[in-house]
Amino acid sequence: GEDVEQSLFLSVREGDSSVINCTYTDSSSTYLYWYKQEPGAGLQLLTYIFSNMDMKQDQRLTVLLNKKDKHLSLRIADTQTGDSAIYFCAENPFMTTDSWGKLQFGAGTQVVVTP
Amino acid sequence: DTAVSQTPKYLVTQMGNDKSIKCEQNLGHDTMYWYKQDSKKFLKIMFSYNNKELIINETVPNRFSPKSPDKAHLNLHINSLELGDSAVYFCASSYPTSGANVLTFGAGSRLTVL
Repeated sequence: GEDVEQSLFLSVREGDSSVINCTYTDSSSTYLYWYKQEPGAGLQLLTYIFSNMDMKQDQRLTVLLNKKDKHLSLRIADTQTGDSAIYFCAENPFMTTDSWGKLQFGAGTQVVVTP
Repeated sequence: DTAVSQTPKYLVTQMGNDKSIKCEQNLGHDTMYWYKQDSKKFLKIMFSYNNKELIINETVPNRFSPKSPDKAHLNLHINSLELGDSAVYFCASSYPTSGANVLTFGAGSRLTVL
């Protein structure tokens, strides 16, 4: 995760919005992803954004991409206790055919939702 | 119906032993992967196979040997286990594409080496 950086921890009250930030270094990344990992489970894709987009909204999730600053964020509206998990930002910087799926992950942000 | 299934979920073994983790996907994907997640939750790719052919082989010790008998299965065999091999190993699969590579992950296999 040395090329993708995230803050390690976020505490948020139920009903508030959560914002998880990520910075990446490879400007060749054409897709950027957010994955969610619940305790004892695998990673589940939440959403992804194409690099020519600034924003993508999907129900309670909003992804913002600032390509100039290589900054990606995930906003979760009306955060629920079920949103407590680790959230991983990932990029796919190696867009040759033998590197598809070779994702570079951040270290993950632990989100704790308190009642 | 589990899309990507791994066995075993937990594995505790002694240093020096040899162990295997199995993975199967029923999504019809052509590409399968092994990722390693260390104790700090850092995820790194180890291998990928496309239709039984090795595509990605990161700088992983030779003690790790993946095998893909068919495109729905990718197994990981580890020889002479070391303490540093303790981690959670995730299998994943996807369609290879120049578009968004959406990986579907298994639930992980937690390996503890004593």
